[in-house]
Amino acid sequence: GIQVEQSPPDLILQEGANSTLRCNFSDSVNNLQWFHQNPWGQLINLFYIPSGTKQNGRLSATTVATERYSLLYISSSQTTDSGVYFCAVCLDYGNKLVFGAGTILRVKS
Amino acid sequence: DGGITQSPKYLFRKEGQNVTLSCEQNLNHDAMYWYRQDPGQGLRLIYYSQIVNDFQKGDIAEGYSVSREKKESFPLTVTSAQKNPTAFYLCASSTTRDAEAFFGQGTRLTVV
Repeated sequence: GIQVEQSPPDLILQEGANSTLRCNFSDSVNNLQWFHQNPWGQLINLFYIPSGTKQNGRLSATTVATERYSLLYISSSQTTDSGVYFCAVCLDYGNKLVFGAGTILRVKS
Repeated sequence: DGGITQSPKYLFRKEGQNVTLSCEQNLNHDAMYWYRQDPGQGLRLIYYSQIVNDFQKGDIAEGYSVSREKKESFPLTVTSAQKNPTAFYLCASSTTRDAEAFFGQGTRLTVV
């Protein structure tokens, strides 16, 4: 099956710093989403981005589908950005959303 | 408000008992999904359904069962056959096969 790899697995930042999270996937996909899981377990939708670039405030994402990777940029990080960031892809030939293992982000004040 | 509602938020089960987790959505979405998350892990797909009265097994369906009698409801039963049911269970829904998925707040199941 498709492999979804996220890097780095852990990241510690000082408040105000910038970061880049990466998601690599092993097959062609129809859909790619980035989620933030908060301390209560809720998955918050960040981006639906099968290709191209999108921005939402301090966050932006870029997916290069032909090269099978996506990047999530966090600028001027805040302590509320802490949590786990997941990348998930939807396969061409099915409706299943396959998740990566996540990146644990800790932002220190 | 439109959204996905999972209940209960916390659930305790004795070994050998079946329990049913509820998932309801009022988004008029066709597809619904159940995922399991273990501590420090990603999400793994249990079952999914694209239309009423039809569903498919995901990667870890053993020990679980589902039904899809109504478009807005997709309950998950954790049976006594599930060897290690303690986990965080998340339900999701989406419109078409390639559309954006949205998640409920989850149910934490603990076997005591």
